[in-house]
Amino acid sequence: GIQVEQSPPDLILQEGANSTLRCNFSDSVNNLQWFHQNPWGQLINLFYIPSGTKQNGRLSATTVATERYSLLYISSSQTTDSGVYFCAVIIQTGANNLFFGTGTRLTVIP
Amino acid sequence: GAGVSQTPSNKVTEKGKYVELRCDPISGHTALYWYRQSLGQGPEFLIYFQGTGAADDSGLPNDRFFAVRPEGSVSTLKIQRTERGDSAVYLCASSLTPGFTDTQYFGPGTRLTVL
Repeated sequence: GIQVEQSPPDLILQEGANSTLRCNFSDSVNNLQWFHQNPWGQLINLFYIPSGTKQNGRLSATTVATERYSLLYISSSQTTDSGVYFCAVIIQTGANNLFFGTGTRLTVIP
Repeated sequence: GAGVSQTPSNKVTEKGKYVELRCDPISGHTALYWYRQSLGQGPEFLIYFQGTGAADDSGLPNDRFFAVRPEGSVSTLKIQRTERGDSAVYLCASSLTPGFTDTQYFGPGTRLTVL
C-alpha cells in the first residue's frame, strides 16, 4: 500500500523561528492536503495542494507531484503553531479516500 | 450550528457492548466523513457520505461497524460487539461539496474507551 512519511517526526522551535516540514509519498497522487491538529485534538484543514504552491499568512505549501513530495513552510513561528502537522493524500489508483501520514509534532517555545 | 459537533465527547463501555456515536455537521454541508484516530497516529478514514448515501465505506474495518445518515444531515456511527482494539478517538468532518477537494471542518471527536 501507499507510504506517506513525514519528517522530522518531532521539531522544537524557538518562537519567531522558521521551519520546513516534509511529506514524501510512494505513489502518484491526485490530492494532497495538510492539516494541523492542536494540542487539544482539534484538526484543521490548512491546504489543499495536489501541485504547485499556495500561501496563507505565515504558512505556505509546495507540492512537487512528479517527485512525490510536499513541503509546508512555517515562518515566524508562534506558540499557537504547536501541535501535530499531517499530510494526507489520495492516490491516483486505488481507494479514493484520504490516507494520512505519520505526522510531525511541532513544539514552539516562547 | 457554528461548527461540527459530536456527542458524546467521551464514551466508556465494556467489551462486547454496542455503542452509537453521533455527528452533527455544519448546516448545509453535503458531505460527511468519519475517521478514527488511535493514540500517536494519524486519522484513519472510515466512511464518507454524500447526502444520505455512503459514497465510500471502504475504510470500515469489519461488519461490526456501520454508519447511517438518514436525512442527509446528522450521522450515527454504530459499533457492535465492541473490542478493546476499537478504543480510539472517532472524528467526524463535513464539507460543503462532496469529495476530498473541499475544506473539511472537523468536530472535537468522541473518545471511545473499551474496557
